Formats: sequence, structure tokens, C-alpha cells
Amino acid sequence: GDSVTQMEGPVTLSEEAFLTINCTYTATGYPSLFWYVQYPGEGLQLLLKATKADDKGSNKGFEATYRKETTSFHLEKGSVQVSDSAVYFCALDAANSGYALNFGKGTSLLVTP
Amino acid sequence: EPEVTQTPSHQVTQMGQEVILRCVPISNHLYFYWYRQILGQKVEFLVSFYNNEISEKSEIFDDQFSVERPDGSNFTLKIRSTKLEDSAMYFCASRADRGRYEQYFGPGTRLTVT
Repeated sequence: GDSVTQMEGPVTLSEEAFLTINCTYTATGYPSLFWYVQYPGEGLQLLLKATKADDKGSNKGFEATYRKETTSFHLEKGSVQVSDSAVYFCALDAANSGYALNFGKGTSLLVTP
Repeated sequence: EPEVTQTPSHQVTQMGQEVILRCVPISNHLYFYWYRQILGQKVEFLVSFYNNEISEKSEIFDDQFSVERPDGSNFTLKIRSTKLEDSAMYFCASRADRGRYEQYFGPGTRLTVT
């Protein structure tokens, strides 16, 4: 079945450092790919998405490119801030599952001043 | 901006009791979902609901669980006889329509079964 694999956390970075969180997926068909963010004590917020191969999703300085050849959707940000500290979830949906989201395990990011 | 709301934010119940978790999806959305997140684990899909019936459900969603849209605004998840392992954060989500629309999540209800 479909699945999403994320790099294990926690990830600790200094402010202004470069961030990469790896995400790879296995899916039949042509899923959409998402990054969700969960700030402490809050729910899930959509950070960015891509609906087809080679699409790049971007938001708040974060970017991820849908790479079909490597089945990846890595999240990147050039310069992280303390306020980016959160848990990041990679996810996919697919028409054959009623567009239910299939999440990775999440990667905790801590940015220190 | 429209948002999904959930009540209560925290529910404590004893094993074997019934609980109902409530959600108010975004008003013009047509698809509704429940997910759960056991502490420290990934977010797992439970069930999706469309046109007043279940459209998809996962293996987790067994006979102890049921969903209902009792009126035009609420969407509920009922757990008939709670177990310790039902302790988790439960998230409701809604989507505008079929196809490439995003899901909007509520803030979650933390269920603690003692």
C-alpha cells in the first residue's frame, strides 16, 4: 500500500541555518504531496503542496519539489527562524483512497537562537 | 477566515465508557474526515464521510467507532466502549469537494482513557 517515509528527528538547528527534511513515498497512481506543520499545542496546518510531478510548492520561505523519478518531496528552507520550531509531517493522498491523507511519522525541528 | 472547530479540547473518560467527539466543519465543505494521533506517533486516517455516508475507512475504524452528521453543521465521532489504547489526539478535517482540494484540520480533541 501507499506509504510515506520521513527522516527521523529531532533536528536541532541554529537560527539562519539551512533546513532539509527528507521525505520519500511509495504510491500507486499519481498522488498529491503535502507538508503539514504542527506547532506546539496546535493542530495541523497545511504548509505547502504539489499535485503533479515537477511541481514546486512554496510558502513562508519553505519549498518542496515533487520528484517522481526519485519518489521524493524533500522540504527545504534557506534560513530558519526560532518561530519555525514545530513538527513537520509529509503526507500524500490518492484518488483510490478517497483522498484520505497518509502521513509520515513527523520530524521535530528545534531552532535555537 | 473559515475554520474547522472541535469540542471538547480535552476529554477524560473511564475505560468502557462511551465518548462523542464533536466537529464543526467549514460550512460549504462536502467531505469530512477523522484522524487520530497517538502520542509520539504518526497521524492515522480513521474514516471519511460524504453525502451522509462513510466513503472510506481504515482498519482502525472497527465496530466500536461510528460517525454521524446529525444536523447541517456538526460531524461527530462516537467511541462506544473506550479502551486504554484509544487515548490519542483526534483530528477532524474537511474538504471542499472531490479532487485536488486541500483538507483543513481542526485543533484536535485530546482523549485520555483511564
